[in-house]
Amino acid sequence: EPEVTQTPSHQVTQMGQEVILRCVPISNHLYFYWYRQILGQKVEFLVSFYNNEISEKSEIFDDQFSVERPDGSNFTLKIRSTKLEDSAMYFCASSEMSSTDTQYFGPGTRLTVL
Amino acid sequence: AQKITQTQPGMFVQEKEAVTLDCTYDTSDQSYGLFWYKQPSSGEMIFLIYQGSYDEQNATEGRYSLNFQKARKSANLVISASQLGDSAMYFCAMMGNFNKFYFGSGTKLNVKP
Repeated sequence: EPEVTQTPSHQVTQMGQEVILRCVPISNHLYFYWYRQILGQKVEFLVSFYNNEISEKSEIFDDQFSVERPDGSNFTLKIRSTKLEDSAMYFCASSEMSSTDTQYFGPGTRLTVL
Repeated sequence: AQKITQTQPGMFVQEKEAVTLDCTYDTSDQSYGLFWYKQPSSGEMIFLIYQGSYDEQNATEGRYSLNFQKARKSANLVISASQLGDSAMYFCAMMGNFNKFYFGSGTKLNVKP
């Protein structure tokens, strides 16, 4: 069964460093998403992406963050200068189409900022 | 504004019994989807069940069913015949316009042997 994959499973970084989290969505899906979950809290929407551009983003997704689909399979989230409060689980998701279509989540990348 | 409310931070259920996890939502969108996800202690998010706002019948997927009451804006998850492996966090979520997903704060379910 096709699935969303994410690498790495755990990333440790120093405050101020740049990190890139990688995702490979399900191959025939057209919409891609990033979410984060701070430990013990609810899952928060960051950004949605379609047709090589951002379709929606939350207040959390400030200039520190960027997303890219560098090739036909990968979907990346970059955090330019990490802060302690960026420590969280980051989930990538994809859906076949938009608007009420089921999103399938990857296993997540745990980001720890020291 | 979109909002998802899960009022039960934690629930206990005896193995083999049924349990209902509550979810209410608020939206001005005419068309929306409601979802439940399971998050075990390992952290991954597992899709369980989906209900469209125009679906007249309640969604069912194996032991999971969604009790959809549109007028009350509720979308409760019913798990029948609970198993020990059902112990996890459960998140209710809604998607309306603009491809944006809203999650509730979650309910931690503990299944007792």
